[in-house]
Amino acid sequence: EAGVTQFPSHSVIEKGQTVTLRCDPISGHDNLYWYRRVMGKEIKFLLHFVKESKQDESGMPNNRFLAERTGGTYSTLKVQPAELEDSGVYFCASSHRAGTGVNEKLFFGSGTQLSVL
Amino acid sequence: GQSLEQPSEVTAVEGAIVQMNCTYQTSGFYGLSWYQQHDGGAPTFLSYNALDGLEETGRFSSFLSRSDSYGYLLLQELQMKDSASYFCAVRDPDFGGATNKLIFGTGTLLAVQP
Repeated sequence: EAGVTQFPSHSVIEKGQTVTLRCDPISGHDNLYWYRRVMGKEIKFLLHFVKESKQDESGMPNNRFLAERTGGTYSTLKVQPAELEDSGVYFCASSHRAGTGVNEKLFFGSGTQLSVL
Repeated sequence: GQSLEQPSEVTAVEGAIVQMNCTYQTSGFYGLSWYQQHDGGAPTFLSYNALDGLEETGRFSSFLSRSDSYGYLLLQELQMKDSASYFCAVRDPDFGGATNKLIFGTGTLLAVQP
């Protein structure tokens, strides 16, 4: 079974440019999450999709960040225009189901290392 | 808000036992998880505690005390490959447990020395 894959693994862009990150979750996983880790700090939540719907986007930093999950399969996270503080590792994770009393572990991708210069 | 605190770094030698602590402050509680992340790799699930006590999986054990809002991860017979960051995480209580969205701590970087 293929795991969560993310592309690209690394991206170096200049301030003001646009970058799009892609995540392919494990097949059949309805839940898809985006997280970010900045400079050795905590892994911070950005957004949660259930199928193609955004269930929780409370962690999105500002309107320069746009996430989509058309068709409920893969997801993209676009940063436009990028700023220096957007640098960090962007992780995607997926899980099969959610519900009270159910603990489903998250399966993470290896992340995209984004450097904004 | 919800917060989890972990020591930033721990150093230990091969063959030893190491304990990594996690204290949390949350408005509700639906279990404590532990994830391991090697440098440049994906965070991977290690263990989950919903009730008080010790859970053991091979060389790894995880402990929870809900009354103390505290847990720890215990690694025995340390190996060089155990060098990694270890994160504790709780399920977001704002959804009444009906979510697998996790809130992570800042992580503990474990360095295993020969």
